Amino acid sequence: QKEVEQNSGPLSVPEGAIASLNCTYSDRGSQSFFWYRQYSGKSPELIMFIYSNGDKEDGRFTAQLNKASQYVSLLIRDSQPSDSATYLCAVGRSDKLIFGTGTRLQVFP
Amino acid sequence: DTGVSQNPRHKITKRGQNVTFRCDPISEHNRLYWYRQTLGQGPEFLTYFQNEAQLEKSRLLSDRFSAERPKGSFSTLEIQRTEQGDSAMYLCASSSLSRSSYEQYFGPGTRLTVT
Repeated sequence: QKEVEQNSGPLSVPEGAIASLNCTYSDRGSQSFFWYRQYSGKSPELIMFIYSNGDKEDGRFTAQLNKASQYVSLLIRDSQPSDSATYLCAVGRSDKLIFGTGTRLQVFP
Repeated sequence: DTGVSQNPRHKITKRGQNVTFRCDPISEHNRLYWYRQTLGQGPEFLTYFQNEAQLEKSRLLSDRFSAERPKGSFSTLEIQRTEQGDSAMYLCASSSLSRSSYEQYFGPGTRLTVT
């Protein structure tokens, strides 16, 4: 079992819709969770982090954490074509980040 | 300001040659990380420094790889006797202990192609 699992996608959503990206992790002791956005050919960009159960909102982005289910999600409201990218989920462990393989999001006009 | 910078951005080399990459972290960040990313995968941890001390090196990392951060500022990653399997994007990230070592900010990466 991989430490951090994501569906590779692509996830296709129409412009203006809510995109929901999901991630599960295997280490029940994990405390820190991150979402990075990566455009093709570019490096990952940190967009959200969450440390406590529940929701955390920042603009159009909401991160959700459920430690009991070992599940993290990222919601993108009012999706735009510029949101088309790969979204990487990462979990903090022993001072480093463990990444999933990413979910490719496509937002079509 | 400045974010994390990396040089060169692209490197093409022949198998068996040595290559060296440089990373300049965000100035107030005392932790510096190296990751490697191949197509379709997430970044994979290689090694990290706190100030000038190398605190961890991945067990997956061959002895051909070495990293330094001599004055606790910039870092170099050297790969000796490159192999085709070393072709990847090499990413540097930095973080500040005063916030969270996990809030890591990446540089643009160095794309290595070994022919």
